[in-house]
Amino acid sequence: DTAVSQTPKYLVTQMGNDKSIKCEQNLGHDTMYWYKQDSKKFLKIMFSYNNKELIINETVPNRFSPKSPDKAHLNLHINSLELGDSAVYFCASSLVGDQPQHFGDGTRLSIL
Amino acid sequence: GENVEQHPSTLSVQEGDSAVIKCTYSDSASNYFPWYKQELGKRPQLIIDIRSNVGEKKDQRIAVTLNKTAKHFSLHITETQPEDSAVYFCAGQAGTALIFGKGTTLSVSS
Repeated sequence: DTAVSQTPKYLVTQMGNDKSIKCEQNLGHDTMYWYKQDSKKFLKIMFSYNNKELIINETVPNRFSPKSPDKAHLNLHINSLELGDSAVYFCASSLVGDQPQHFGDGTRLSIL
Repeated sequence: GENVEQHPSTLSVQEGDSAVIKCTYSDSASNYFPWYKQELGKRPQLIIDIRSNVGEKKDQRIAVTLNKTAKHFSLHITETQPEDSAVYFCAGQAGTALIFGKGTTLSVSS
């Protein structure tokens, strides 16, 4: 069983569209995260949720809206996609904030 | 907030040599420092971590050292093998956010 699973693995779409990425963890962790990895491989935190509550919201455009229906799921919805949104988005989870983080396999988002 | 600098950005070694990657951090409140290895097209995977109350930690060929006073920490890989080739990221954590360095691409040639 994959510990942190993301769907879809690849997402190719047109500028201006709205899309969602789903993430689920079966590790029983309380904290979940979204990271963006750009073309230069730089990994940057976007959001952090602890037990369904938003803890961190870095300077991310409000076109990005995370939703956590329960502590095992953290989904990411993106409105009005722009070319600069092309990246790999990683979901991760940890038991609590300062514990090892386990990453999903990533979603490669390409905007045409 | 936390800022993590990582050097070098690329590192090429011969198989069997040692490799050292260095990071510095800015926030003295940071207390957790993991290292991740990312192979091409794959997810980052934790390889070793250290907390601020420890100066050194080893796991087989991998070791991490931490100097809290100087705010720097280093990854040491001994007896490198071709399968060690990957991008390595250091990170520092204050609160719930992991702040990553920009990565080091390690190439091990046989």
